[in-house]
Amino acid sequence: AAGVIQSPRHLIKEKRETATLKCYPIPRHDTVYWYQQGPGQDPQFLISFYEKMQSDKGSIPDRFSAQQFSDYHSELNMSSLELGDSALYFCASSPPPRGYTEAFFGQGTRLTVV
Amino acid sequence: AQTVTQSQPEMSVQEAETVTLSCTYDTSESDYYLFWYKQPPSRQMILVIRQEAYKQQNATENRFSVNFQKAAKSFSLKISDSQLGDAAMYFCAYTRNQGAQKLVFGQGTRLTINP
Repeated sequence: AAGVIQSPRHLIKEKRETATLKCYPIPRHDTVYWYQQGPGQDPQFLISFYEKMQSDKGSIPDRFSAQQFSDYHSELNMSSLELGDSALYFCASSPPPRGYTEAFFGQGTRLTVV
Repeated sequence: AQTVTQSQPEMSVQEAETVTLSCTYDTSESDYYLFWYKQPPSRQMILVIRQEAYKQQNATENRFSVNFQKAAKSFSLKISDSQLGDAAMYFCAYTRNQGAQKLVFGQGTRLTINP
């Protein structure tokens, strides 16, 4: 079965650079979530999109922005990178919300800022 | 705001034994879901088991079962017949039952299986 695809899997950037993370949800899933997991930390919710509109926002820095495109894939743009942005970034997707909907996680993008 | 607390940063168990991981949560909602996720060294988030708050019966999935105490807001995971492949970080998580909702995670418990 198709899974959530994240690219790239690994990314190394220097401080003050910009990074773009991509997420391709499972086909027919219209909701995408982004989470950030720092070293030794639990995943923290950043932002979510439903039908290409932002549906919820968590602790996402102003330096970060995200969007969901017409094909439902999503991109997380991170500017002015800081050392503290080094983390594993998960994307998850879920089908149209009718009652409970399970979120399926991608394998994550490991971002290292040096 | 909803919070999830895992008070055991690390646990260890002998292979083939049983271990219980603890989780408490706080919410004012009455309808919600609770989860246990497993994160092995590959860092993939794997759903282990799910509990619906309005169901009194505890969920079970093969060797994994939960003890859901709604009044006490407690949600523990029992792993029976522990196997080496069970070694991982385990996260307890919560979401409201309103369609697509974000997950709120606990701090995690690192489980070690001793051969």
